[in-house]
Parts: sequence; structure tokens; C-alpha cells
Amino acid sequence: DTEVTQTPKHLVMGMTNKKSLKCEQHMGHRAMYWYKQKAKKPPELMFVYSYEKLSINESVPSRFSPECPNSSLLNLHLHALQPEDSALYLCASRVRDSEGNEQYFGPGTRLTVT
Amino acid sequence: EDKVVQSPLSLVVHEGDTVTLNCSYEVTNFRSLLWYKQEKKAPTFLFMLTSSGIEKKSGRLSSILDKKELFSILNITATQTGDSAVYLCAGTTGNQFYFGTGTSLTVIP
Repeated sequence: DTEVTQTPKHLVMGMTNKKSLKCEQHMGHRAMYWYKQKAKKPPELMFVYSYEKLSINESVPSRFSPECPNSSLLNLHLHALQPEDSALYLCASRVRDSEGNEQYFGPGTRLTVT
Repeated sequence: EDKVVQSPLSLVVHEGDTVTLNCSYEVTNFRSLLWYKQEKKAPTFLFMLTSSGIEKKSGRLSSILDKKELFSILNITATQTGDSAVYLCAGTTGNQFYFGTGTSLTVIP
């Protein structure tokens, strides 16, 4: 089983709203990721959690706030977003074994900021 | 600076053709190279490659890694319209995944 789930699938929010994106995996992976993807562009790394601790923050604006409540869950809290933040937000988890790293993506949340 | 470069940027072929997609990488402390297929949704994992010269196959898709020359290729034989997608490769090291810009493949019936 290589399933990563994300909710909601679609989200429309105003610039003054507060919302959260949720991600869940039950594969025992200890690293989880948030990516942002704009149309016709590759995924752009935002945050990495490793063993439930934030290990990478790619200079993401503070209006995006990640949270990792436990090893299976990852949230992304959104506040005071701008229209240019509209994108596909992808969660992923990574397994590392003796061969290398495999990373599996969730289906994404398509966010529109109005 | 770590980077991954894919070529060509886009490709249009007819059904039944064979295509080769290229991925070159410069990744410090390189661990593995991943290939993904992305249609109008999230990327789907295809292959992970860590060892040079060992081909990975899945149906009509195959991939190989050359760690000396720092590149990988993805081959698709007997292409079908369902193969139309963007193909992404990523070089990984520890926690980081460096994505190329992708190759957009269109298969015409």
C-alpha cells in the first residue's frame, strides 16, 4: 500500500479566511513533505518534516504554517493568502531503504484564493 | 547548486512509436533517481534507480541509470494515447528531492 490521502480535494478561500489542508499516510514513513505546484511547472518544495520535526523550510512566507501532530498526519494552515498562492498543493511521504529514497504523492488539494 | 535537467521539453509522437526521455543531474550526495508520470493530477511514482546499469522495467516502460555520466533515460515502447502526460524525474539526497521541469509527451492516435 502506497497511499497518501489529502483533504479537501478543492478549496476556494478569500484573502481574509483561515483554512487548513490535511494529509495522512499509514505506511510508517517518517518523512513528509508539502509541495506547491503551479500549472506547467514541477513541484516546488515548501516544507519537510522528518521524524515529526521540521527539517526544511524553503523560505516559505509565514502565511503558510505547517504542523505535524504525529508521524501519520501533516497539516498546512493557511491565513491571509494572496491570489498568487492559488495552486495545487501536494503532500508526499518518503521511505528510505537500503536501495534509496522513494517518495509518494497524495492526490493534492487544488486551492483557489479569491 | 543541485539541479536536474530534462530533455526534450516536449515531444509529439504517433501511437506505436518508441520514445526516449532524458534526465541529467548534478546532485550532491546523490542517493537515487526517481521517475514520475503526471497527468491532470498528482505525480504517480514509476521507478526508483540507485545502481548504474541495472534496468528497471514495468510493462512497456523501462529506465536505466548511468552514475558515471550522471544521467538516466526513460523508454516507452509501443506508445499509446494513455501515455500522454508530463514525465518528471527527480534526484534525491537524504530528505531533498530535486525535480526537473518535465517532458510533456503527447501521443497522437
